[in-house]
Amino acid sequence: QLQLQESGPGLVKPSETLSLTCNVSGGSISSSSYYWGWIRQPPGKGLEWIGTFHYSGTTYYNPSLKSRVTISVDASKNQYSLTLDSVTAADTAVYYCANHLQILKSSFDYWGQGALVTVSS
Amino acid sequence: EIVMTQTPLSLSVTPGQPASISCKSSQSLLHGDEKTYLYWYLQKPGQSPQLLIYEVFNRFSGVPDRFSGSGSGTDFTLKISRVEAEDVGVYYCMQSIQLPHSFGQGTKLEIK
Repeated sequence: QLQLQESGPGLVKPSETLSLTCNVSGGSISSSSYYWGWIRQPPGKGLEWIGTFHYSGTTYYNPSLKSRVTISVDASKNQYSLTLDSVTAADTAVYYCANHLQILKSSFDYWGQGALVTVSS
Repeated sequence: EIVMTQTPLSLSVTPGQPASISCKSSQSLLHGDEKTYLYWYLQKPGQSPQLLIYEVFNRFSGVPDRFSGSGSGTDFTLKISRVEAEDVGVYYCMQSIQLPHSFGQGTKLEIK
């Protein structure tokens, strides 16, 4: 069974870059069978899909964040990463990594436990 | 973007009683392959969301049969036949027919 685990700084200053990593176990990040996504949840609010990466090199981003987001992979470590540029307080959220089997027509089956990132000076 | 709207936003249920949550999408979630790409998740307190139902009515592995999903097109319902204490949390619907993936606002279930 796949297991995902987020890691990264819990505090980021406004205007700086948020960086998180998702470590994957129980499956290969290089597999063509999986898509690797990021979803966030501001405190007390709902869920927002950020974007998804496939090992083929294709990335898909939410248009609302596209100009600031990059998702990349480090296959040698079986992990993938999220960077979000020019953060503001509105980017304070719990960030989840989650996998799905297709970019569309697919649920997010396995989730990490989430990483809280606070944007504050 | 497809907008997902859930009602009610909260409900309080006595253990053993049924519960029902509605989810409406701003566009039909019926694909040309005749499947409908609507999902239900439960986020228990302090946990990450977990998949309950996929493609409207299919229970994910390990999900108790007191959970059932129904609906078509733009109108969907999640029902819990007999609520148990472990069912507390926030329920979300999600569509996966069009990017960006989008979720409902969530429905918080509490036990009376």
